[in-house]
Amino acid sequence: DQQVKQNSPSLSVQEGRISILNCDYTNSMFDYFLWYKKYPAEGPTFLISISSIKDKNEDGRFTVFLNKSAKHLSLHIVPSQPGDSAVYFCAASGQGGSEKLVFGKGTKLTVNP
Amino acid sequence: EAGVAQSPRYKIIEKRQSVAFWCNPISGHATLYWYQQILGQGPKLLIQFQNNGVVDDSQLPKDRFSAERLKGVDSTLKIQPAKLEDSAVYLCASSLWTVNTGELFFGEGSRLTVL
Repeated sequence: DQQVKQNSPSLSVQEGRISILNCDYTNSMFDYFLWYKKYPAEGPTFLISISSIKDKNEDGRFTVFLNKSAKHLSLHIVPSQPGDSAVYFCAASGQGGSEKLVFGKGTKLTVNP
Repeated sequence: EAGVAQSPRYKIIEKRQSVAFWCNPISGHATLYWYQQILGQGPKLLIQFQNNGVVDDSQLPKDRFSAERLKGVDSTLKIQPAKLEDSAVYLCASSLWTVNTGELFFGEGSRLTVL
């Protein structure tokens, strides 16, 4: 039973345009969400997080939106750069983040120059 | 600041053989995690340590997998005997406390191929 779903295995965008990566979750107890970025042959690195008490969190070019009623979150990257090409994992946790992280399968983003 | 160190980076073994992976977390990080990432999947938590103690090992196949954390610092993950389906990248991560204090810091991973 996949509790965190990233239904798009891949996404390709042009440099300078917006990248939108989507994530859905089924467990209503999740209240803390994170995005990780992973380059080949490296471990995932933390990108941005959001608590369920907020519906938006912004950090430079990266913004995460949370729609609790739809159990949906999205990561927006504006403007996209070739260096953003990586696999992006959505992850969720319960009890304010004190429970174990559950990861989605990831979305491979390719930003074309 | 040194990151999470893991070794070996790559390991190829035959099924039924044993293998061990080592992890050295970031200095001062109390919490250490071992994740298994099978190709095409997201990382799955195998075991979480808080200092020396096990917090969560509910998804660790205890008939073949074992892990320990020595003196609350380094950790080893062992598989014995290995099965074909154990082929994966084993990621070690550490954090100051639990995930909501910031984020997990991952090592580069140890890629295991079981033939």
